[in-house]
Amino acid sequence: GDSVTQTEGQVALSEEDFLTIHCNYSASGYPALFWYVQYPGEGPQFLFRASRDKEKGSSRGFEATYDKGTTSFHLRKASVQESDSAVYYCALGINNYAQGLTFGLGTRVSVFP
Amino acid sequence: GPKVLQIPSHQIIDMGQMVTLNCDPVSNHLYFYWYKQILGQQMEFLVNFYNGKVMEKSKLFKDQFSVERPDGSYFTLKIQPTALEDSAVYFCASSPWDWGGYEQYFGPGTRLTVL
Repeated sequence: GDSVTQTEGQVALSEEDFLTIHCNYSASGYPALFWYVQYPGEGPQFLFRASRDKEKGSSRGFEATYDKGTTSFHLRKASVQESDSAVYYCALGINNYAQGLTFGLGTRVSVFP
Repeated sequence: GPKVLQIPSHQIIDMGQMVTLNCDPVSNHLYFYWYKQILGQQMEFLVNFYNGKVMEKSKLFKDQFSVERPDGSYFTLKIQPTALEDSAVYFCASSPWDWGGYEQYFGPGTRLTVL
């Protein structure tokens, strides 16, 4: 079945550091890829998506590029702030109908002042 | 942005009892979902629902589970009877489109504890 692997379980950074979270996927079809962010006490919030190879998604300074060749969708941000502390989820959905999303385990990002 | 509400936020029940989890989806959304997340594990899809019918369900969606949305009110997940392994956070989500590449909006979750 489809799967999403996030390499980092936890990341600790200082403000203004560069953030990278690695996401690799395995899917039988041609998936759409998503990043969601979850703050304490809330459900996951949509950050952005990409639907085809080489498409870049971005929001709030975060970005990721769909790479079909390496089956990856790594999340990056050039300069993190304390308010970016949250859990980040990579997810995939099949494009052609409203199937449930397949999530990675999540990466807990802690940013210290 | 659009908000999905879930009631209650916490529920504690004894094994074997029935529980109903309620979701108030975004008002113009057409597709509804339930996900289950056990502490420390990934969020997993349970079921999706459209036009009064279950469209797809995962192997986690046991016979003891049922969903409905009577007359456009709450979208509910009922578990009857509950088992210890049903303890988890249950997230409801909704989406306006039938295209899987479109984002889903999630509620804050209901933490279910089965004793």
